[in-house]
Amino acid sequence: QQQVKQSPQSLIVQKGGISIINCAYENTAFDYFPWYQQFPGKGPALLIAIRPDVSEKKEGRFTISFNKSAKQFSLHIMDSQPGDSATYFCAAVTSGTYKYIFGTGTRLKVLA
Amino acid sequence: NAGVMQNPRHLVRRRGQEARLRCSPMKGHSHVYWYRQLPEEGLKFMVYLQKENIIDESGMPKERFSAEFPKEGPSILRIQQVVRGDSAAYFCASSLQSNTEAFFGQGTRLTVV
Repeated sequence: QQQVKQSPQSLIVQKGGISIINCAYENTAFDYFPWYQQFPGKGPALLIAIRPDVSEKKEGRFTISFNKSAKQFSLHIMDSQPGDSATYFCAAVTSGTYKYIFGTGTRLKVLA
Repeated sequence: NAGVMQNPRHLVRRRGQEARLRCSPMKGHSHVYWYRQLPEEGLKFMVYLQKENIIDESGMPKERFSAEFPKEGPSILRIQQVVRGDSAAYFCASSLQSNTEAFFGQGTRLTVV
């Protein structure tokens, strides 16, 4: 119940295309869902996050869609660029706690 | 304001040796978390510390692993008698409060040969 399932494991997108990464969770106590971007040799950096009181959050080219009833959330990267090539992790946590549960990651490659 | 600083960035140890990983939290942060990332996997929680206290070590292996966060100085993750399976990236994160955003360091990549 503590798992966060992430798919796909890897993704190749043409420059200018849309990258979509999906995550699903079981624990309904989770109420904060961040996405992290990790470049090789670097630590995860917070990209964008959402709470379940909204169904969508957009920041620039990055959008999170959230489906509370299905317990799923996804990251959409519009107009994908080669510089977006990185590993993306979704995570979930219950507010007031500290134990982030991470998905297994998606390695995104954007072709020039 | 420097971010979370971890050192060393890379560490190579022979089987049976000890590994010491250091983490200096962001300025003003007194909550520190250690995560382990095995190859091709997500980050897994290991331990949560506040100054001089271990709050939650439920993710830490029962043997050979220990962590501390002294009153002065960095947090230390210590792995005794390392084995090949300990090879991983170890990330430290810090936060202002336990329920506020955690910021990650760049990690220490441990290789056991």
